[in-house]
Amino acid sequence: EAGVAQSPRYKIIEKRQSVAFWCNPISGHATLYWYQQILGQGPKLLIQFQNNGVVDDSQLPKDRFSAERLKGVDSTLKIQPAKLEDSAVYLCASSLDGGEQETQYFGPGTRLLVL
Amino acid sequence: SQQGEEDPQALSIQEGENATMNCSYKTSINNLQWYRQNSGRGLVHLILIRSNEREKHSGRLRVTLDTSKKSSSLLITASRAADTASYFCATVNSGGYQKVTFGTGTKLQVIP
Repeated sequence: EAGVAQSPRYKIIEKRQSVAFWCNPISGHATLYWYQQILGQGPKLLIQFQNNGVVDDSQLPKDRFSAERLKGVDSTLKIQPAKLEDSAVYLCASSLDGGEQETQYFGPGTRLLVL
Repeated sequence: SQQGEEDPQALSIQEGENATMNCSYKTSINNLQWYRQNSGRGLVHLILIRSNEREKHSGRLRVTLDTSKKSSSLLITASRAADTASYFCATVNSGGYQKVTFGTGTKLQVIP
């Protein structure tokens, strides 16, 4: 079974530029999560989708971050404009249907450096 | 915000020794999960313990949960060099859907 795919793996941009990350979850998984992991910290949930609807985006900085999950499969996360403090690894995860006792499966992440 | 605080922040042991990591959290939970993260395999789910369970085993892993103290521990027995990684506890709150809040992590180094 293929895992969660993410691209690109690495991205370097200058502040105020925009950037987009892509995620393809495990086939059949209805729930998709985007996390931000700053160096030395645990992952922080940015947004959670159930199919193509948003379940939780309470920690998403909506003035600069946006995410969508068209057709309930792939998802993109965008940052516009980027700030220095956005330098982090962006992790995508998926689970079968988002139940409280399910396992989340994580992708390899996209490492973003903002200069 | 981080719900869980792991202790210690870093741990270095010899291969074959046991490693114990602790996690404390603040609010009531549905379950608590432990994850491992290393550069080779990314973030991987290890074990889940429900709020009505006190202890759970999986291979060389033993997890305990004390909801009265809002704390959990992860014990890795007979450690191997391949166990070198960061370990995170993650709490899941009740609320109808899985909202996972990760702790700050313990960085484990197992010296061959």
